[in-house]
Amino acid sequence: GAVVSQHPSRVICKSGTSVKIECRSLDFQATTMFWYRQFPKKSLMLMATSNEGSKATYEQGVEKDKFLINHASLTLSTLTVTSAHPEDSSFYICSAKGGTYEQYFGPGTRLTVT
Amino acid sequence: RKEVEQDPGPFNVPEGATVAFNCTYSNSASQSFFWYRQDCRKEPKLLMSVYSSGNEDGRFTAQLNRASQYISLLIRDSKLSDSATYLCVVNGGSYIPTFGRGTSLIVHP
Repeated sequence: GAVVSQHPSRVICKSGTSVKIECRSLDFQATTMFWYRQFPKKSLMLMATSNEGSKATYEQGVEKDKFLINHASLTLSTLTVTSAHPEDSSFYICSAKGGTYEQYFGPGTRLTVT
Repeated sequence: RKEVEQDPGPFNVPEGATVAFNCTYSNSASQSFFWYRQDCRKEPKLLMSVYSSGNEDGRFTAQLNRASQYISLLIRDSKLSDSATYLCVVNGGSYIPTFGRGTSLIVHP
């Protein structure tokens, strides 16, 4: 299957700081990228859908000013968690979709806010 | 009614058993369907797509029933390594994916 990388895999930051997570499609052009978060033993929760060159579409209840998404190219999308707080601690996963309907997931980023 | 529903399980089966999961969806305009597998603390990985004509890959068979709006996954001859959470994914008319909450499978010796 297609390869999607995510960086960093783990990050610990202090409350009030911002954290940027990168998602890259390595061997295909991703017209759409999705950002999810997942709490322990819970299902994936879609946060936003990002299409290259346009503004992200956020799901209800997700603050767009807190979770900034940029999809500047067909192979890179970034999620910035601004002014992070302990309740933002979670597993953040991106996925990318090219010309087919399947999604390919990055390995995830475990964010811990202290 | 939730958009995509799965029995969370866990399904606890011995090695060699056959096990089946169902997933129901509410949007009759849904276009495409998938099963993903997720291991603990890992990202989901695509297991197989689900086609109208059914799809078989080794020990795994996926089927779609549009009339009753459900998809199924059958695993034959279960292995210990099949233990994981199986996520059903349904793409609606806008191709935005909706995940079920997953079904946990535990295969024991």
